[in-house]
Amino acid sequence: AQKITQTQPGMFVQEKEAVTLDCTYDTSDQSYGLFWYKQPSSGEMIFLIYQGSYDEQNATEGRYSLNFQKARKSANLVISASQLGDSAMYFCAMREESYNTDKLIFGTGTRLQVFP
Amino acid sequence: DSGVTQTPKHLITATGQRVTLRCSPRSGDLSVYWYQQSLDQGLQFLIQYYNGEERAKGNILERFSAQQFPDLHSELNLSSLELGDSALYFCASSATTGGYRDTQYFGPGTRLTVL
Repeated sequence: AQKITQTQPGMFVQEKEAVTLDCTYDTSDQSYGLFWYKQPSSGEMIFLIYQGSYDEQNATEGRYSLNFQKARKSANLVISASQLGDSAMYFCAMREESYNTDKLIFGTGTRLQVFP
Repeated sequence: DSGVTQTPKHLITATGQRVTLRCSPRSGDLSVYWYQQSLDQGLQFLIQYYNGEERAKGNILERFSAQQFPDLHSELNLSSLELGDSALYFCASSATTGGYRDTQYFGPGTRLTVL
């Protein structure tokens, strides 16, 4: 069964430093997508970055990059030059290619706190 | 701003009552998804509609129902509410229903409190 595991309940990072949030996944599918979302204290879910299972290059979006290691089934989010506004919950999610459902499976999230 | 709108933002009601949550997808998106986020269950998929038709069901209770209208907005109806239904309910939309690359964009959520 598909599953997303985020083993870090909380992380601290100093402003302007880089931080890596871990995500491992379990799937028997060859075709799947991995997503990261940010949830600030205000509650909304903000899409950050996407990585497809066949993508050869690691995804990057501004200060966000994804360290995708397919053999290890990991898709860690790297945030460079952290800012105070990066303090939030971060969720890793997976979507398998399926003709029956397009749902996202979410991990339990990591709470990131950026301090000055 | 994701382009997905949800109303109301907050809803406080009593046990046994019925409420309706509304969602408008991003312009051009045909798929609408409903998710529930609670402290004990995390983020759980409830149901998906594509172009007016139900496509997939997740962990949705029989007391809950949804529909998608011809203008593509969607409503989630929750009835016989219980304390445990208190949660943040998200609507998300995506362009198609085609495969693993389709990104889902979330609305701001409706926070439901059942007293």
